Amino acid sequence: EDKVVQSPLSLVVHEGDTVTLNCSYEVTNFRSLLWYKQEKKAPTFLFMLTSSGIEKKSGRLSSILDKKELFSILNITATQTGDSAVYLCAGLNYGGSQGNLIFGKGTKLSVKP
Amino acid sequence: DTGVSQDPRHKITKRGQNVTFRCDPISEHNRLYWYRQTLGQGPEFLTYFQNEAQLEKSRLLSDRFSAERPKGSFSTLEIQRTEQGDSAMYLCASSLTGTLNTEAFFGQGTRLTVV
Repeated sequence: EDKVVQSPLSLVVHEGDTVTLNCSYEVTNFRSLLWYKQEKKAPTFLFMLTSSGIEKKSGRLSSILDKKELFSILNITATQTGDSAVYLCAGLNYGGSQGNLIFGKGTKLSVKP
Repeated sequence: DTGVSQDPRHKITKRGQNVTFRCDPISEHNRLYWYRQTLGQGPEFLTYFQNEAQLEKSRLLSDRFSAERPKGSFSTLEIQRTEQGDSAMYLCASSLTGTLNTEAFFGQGTRLTVV
């Protein structure tokens, strides 16, 4: 069965720290890996990674995919309290099980002032 | 607002009652997903539609749950004879699949509380 595993499950840091969130996947007919940020309500899209080794950046956030080792990381530099959220990773497949978007349990990040 | 919208945002119901939620996806999106999320967990797949066709239902989805997308636009999720274990956030998402594949965009969710 397809699965996505995130680590750590929770993380507490102080403002200004850099964090790395991990996501490993076993997804049949893998197409892409997606990262979402979830605060109070709906997940909001961050990145979609399809090619291995190409870093995507958005401000202080960056992410990269390794399709050989089946994992992705999300980096946040100079963290701010507004980065506190649950970060979700999801594997997208070519029309396999689970509607082709399989989520991990998320990493809960808490950034202290 | 051209995003995914869900209605209602909150629903409190007594055990044993039926409830129905609605999701309006982004208009050109052909794929629509329903997920359930409980505290501390990632979204859990329930079912998805490609246009009006329901292509898959999770094994976790009991017979009390049914979803429709009659015209390939909005979708409804009905839960019959609700149980306390149904209390969760129900999320809808939509995406475009085909030649151009987009990421899935989520609605704000419907929070169900069964008392």
